[in-house]
Amino acid sequence: GAGVSQSPRYKVAKRGQDVALRCDPISGHVSLFWYQQALGQGPEFLTYFQNEAQLDKSGLPSDRFFAERPEGSVSTLKIQRTQQEDSAVYLCASQEREGRIYEQYFGPGTRLTVT
Amino acid sequence: ILNVEQSPQSLHVQEGDSTNFTCSFPSSNFYALHWYRWETAKSPEALFVMTLNGDEKKKGRISATLNTKEGYSYLYIKGSQPEDSATYLCASNSGYSTLTFGKGTMLLVSP
Repeated sequence: GAGVSQSPRYKVAKRGQDVALRCDPISGHVSLFWYQQALGQGPEFLTYFQNEAQLDKSGLPSDRFFAERPEGSVSTLKIQRTQQEDSAVYLCASQEREGRIYEQYFGPGTRLTVT
Repeated sequence: ILNVEQSPQSLHVQEGDSTNFTCSFPSSNFYALHWYRWETAKSPEALFVMTLNGDEKKKGRISATLNTKEGYSYLYIKGSQPEDSATYLCASNSGYSTLTFGKGTMLLVSP
């Protein structure tokens, strides 16, 4: 069965470039999350969507980070004017319905390296 | 903000050994505790979601316990195999459904 997919799997960007990371959640899943994992750290929350509504973006580190999910399915995380500190693995997860007891299904992540 | 801690940071065992890891979390405002296994180049895979104090869950050779009053969970692996090599993450809920993760325990099982 189709799980959560992310593309690209690896991205190298020069400092100052804009990047766009894509997440295809499991079909029909209502909730979608983005997490950032820096080297040596656990994943950290960035933003959360319920359908097309972005309900929480408190984890976005700066206004260079922007996420959207316009039709309530595919989501894109955009980083403008990338900096070296943006280098990390970006994980996307989807959840069948809203609720803290439900399993989140993760994609394999996009590893971003900013040089 | 929840602070989730995991120990040890890494662990190297021989095939057949049994092992366990610890996850500690703030016991106030607790709702659920999640365990994930993350193998290199793959997606994190959910192992358990636990909510009740005293809860014990088992999946094959892997089991977990939960103590919500003192704020800790143990993950046990019986008779470790090389395919168990992975990073084991625990996470607690905060906000809507967002997860607050620990840094993980990296397990290496040698044949």
